[in-house]
Amino acid sequence: GDSVTQMEGPVTLSEEAFLTINCTYTATGYPSLFWYVQYPGEGLQLLLKATKADDKGSNKGFEATYRKETTSFHLEKGSVQVSDSAVYFCALKVASGTYKYIFGTGTRLKVLA
Amino acid sequence: NAGVTQTPKFRVLKTGQSMTLLCAQDMNHEYMYWYRQDPGMGLRLIHYSVGEGTTAKGEVPDGYNVSRLKKQNFLLGLESAAPSQTSVYFCASSFDRGADTQYFGPGTRLTVL
Repeated sequence: GDSVTQMEGPVTLSEEAFLTINCTYTATGYPSLFWYVQYPGEGLQLLLKATKADDKGSNKGFEATYRKETTSFHLEKGSVQVSDSAVYFCALKVASGTYKYIFGTGTRLKVLA
Repeated sequence: NAGVTQTPKFRVLKTGQSMTLLCAQDMNHEYMYWYRQDPGMGLRLIHYSVGEGTTAKGEVPDGYNVSRLKKQNFLLGLESAAPSQTSVYFCASSFDRGADTQYFGPGTRLTVL
């Protein structure tokens, strides 16, 4: 079945460090891929998306590239800030009769000053 | 513009008690969703609604009921709470079922003793 696997956290980094959060997926057809972020005390909000192979989504310094050959959508940021501390969710959307959203388990990121 | 709001934020129930979680959105969205989030698992869809007066089962509907009497509100009911329903519940809405972006509320943390 359709699924999303993302690296377990927590991930703890120092400010200005490079961030990678791995995400791989299994899906029939051609899914759209997303990263959502959940800041403390808030709901999830869309961070970036990519709708087809080789697309790169980007927002707030974060980037992720839709890699069909490796079924991956890894999240990266070149220099993290304390304010990036949050839980990050990888997700996909597939059309299968109706649309279905699948979310990963979330990866908690803690950035230290 | 409040977006998606959820009431209450926290609740503790005893086994067998009932309660209703309220979700409200002010974006005139047709689609609304209820998810639960458990440790080590991604968000799982409980029920969803494609418009006022309609509801449909998601991935894990057992033990829950929902109603969508008004377009802006989506209620999730637990008739007889069980410890297995201890979770964080998120409501979300979207313009349509195929929309790329879902807008989430801040969540309700429910503990069933």
